[in-house]
Amino acid sequence: DAKTTQPTSMDCAEGRAANLPCNHSTISGNEYVYWYRQIHSQGPQYIIHGLKNNETNEMASLIITEDRKSSTLILPHATLRDTAVYYCIVRPMDSSYKLIFGSGTRLLVRP
Amino acid sequence: NAGVMQNPRHLVRRRGQEARLRCSPMKGHSHVYWYRQLPEEGLKFMVYLQKENIIDESGMPKERFSAEFPKEGPSILRIQQVVRGDSAAYFCASSPEGLAYNEQFFGPGTRLTVL
Repeated sequence: DAKTTQPTSMDCAEGRAANLPCNHSTISGNEYVYWYRQIHSQGPQYIIHGLKNNETNEMASLIITEDRKSSTLILPHATLRDTAVYYCIVRPMDSSYKLIFGSGTRLLVRP
Repeated sequence: NAGVMQNPRHLVRRRGQEARLRCSPMKGHSHVYWYRQLPEEGLKFMVYLQKENIIDESGMPKERFSAEFPKEGPSILRIQQVVRGDSAAYFCASSPEGLAYNEQFFGPGTRLTVL
């Protein structure tokens, strides 16, 4: 499975955009990029996923580079409730039921 | 539509006792996954089940751990003769039939403490 690399921690001010990077330089053509987050003491929550096109939903936007070796999750207007650990996961379609969580990025949103 | 439910939320056991963790998937979901999260670590896949079938148990320890998802009722993760190293948060997730890359919906977890 492709390995992902994320910064250990980040912070941003409430109301500002939070941009969380992820490197997945060994990603292969049939692998999706997924983002989940885990708020303290809760189960992981699905955010968004994409293959090669940029994606947007009510929670966030996902920007994937043209070579697909990296991506950025964007929370356009971060709130205090967005403080969580964010996991970038590369998920192959042929064994796609197995989510492989790394260490993630601990995002702290400051008031 | 209720989400994934897990109970108990907190479970305390002494070494050598048995722990039973229950997971009720979301309505209409027939795929269940169990993950374990040790303190300060990411989640690790344990087992994937469909109704009455274990599809992949490659992440589950060979001894003392078992899982089932009967035709009726919740999925059960059973840990026999618990040891201190079993202390962790155990999360269950479910997904519906259909495309293999459906998102998984996670429950709130069961926090097991072994004294």
